[in-house]
Amino acid sequence: SQTIHQWPATLVQPVGSPLSLECTVEGTSNPNLYWYRQAAGRGLQLLFYSVGIGQISSEVPQNLSASRPQDRQFILSSKKLLLSDSGFYLCAWSTRGRPTYEQYFGPGTRLTVT
Amino acid sequence: EDKVVQSPLSLVVHEGDTVTLNCSYEVTNFRSLLWYKQEKKAPTFLFMLTSSGIEKKSGRLSSILDKKELFSILNITATQTGDSAVYLCAVEAHVWGGSEKLVFGKGTKLTVNP
Repeated sequence: SQTIHQWPATLVQPVGSPLSLECTVEGTSNPNLYWYRQAAGRGLQLLFYSVGIGQISSEVPQNLSASRPQDRQFILSSKKLLLSDSGFYLCAWSTRGRPTYEQYFGPGTRLTVT
Repeated sequence: EDKVVQSPLSLVVHEGDTVTLNCSYEVTNFRSLLWYKQEKKAPTFLFMLTSSGIEKKSGRLSSILDKKELFSILNITATQTGDSAVYLCAVEAHVWGGSEKLVFGKGTKLTVNP
């Protein structure tokens, strides 16, 4: 069966510090991968999606970046965090060729920038 | 720019009440509309709607789509405290390269009091 992991579960970082959030998927190959952010009182905002290794599309201009160094690994990074980066970050995957609504979400990382 | 607007943003009701949640959208290359329930962490899938006028039903929850007026409603009858959650509406849209993405609304926070 497929599983999706995210870590860390919670993170408190000072403004200006770097960020690295990792997401890995097990039990599937060539998944589509997604990073979402949910700020307090807001819906899910798609940040990045990837259809393959090294193929990243950005939805919103920001100080975040994403990378996909391996087929089932998706990393969200920042060189310098802003207060506005606080939120709940969700990674999701879907099977290539299957409907996109069949997205499976990870447990999420709650990031607080202080 | 693709957008999904949900209303109301929050709703407080008593057990046994019936609620209607609204979702309107403006999306190019519409594919489907989805409803999710988010209780604490990752959203869980409720319904997928692609055709106008066809009601989807699951127990006390039902949903319908109007593709002409570009909106959907989610009804919950005889609400229970376990229905308390954030209900997210999302629209699946085609993007470049043959893949799809989900555009989420801000969600409706439903609180059901005993």
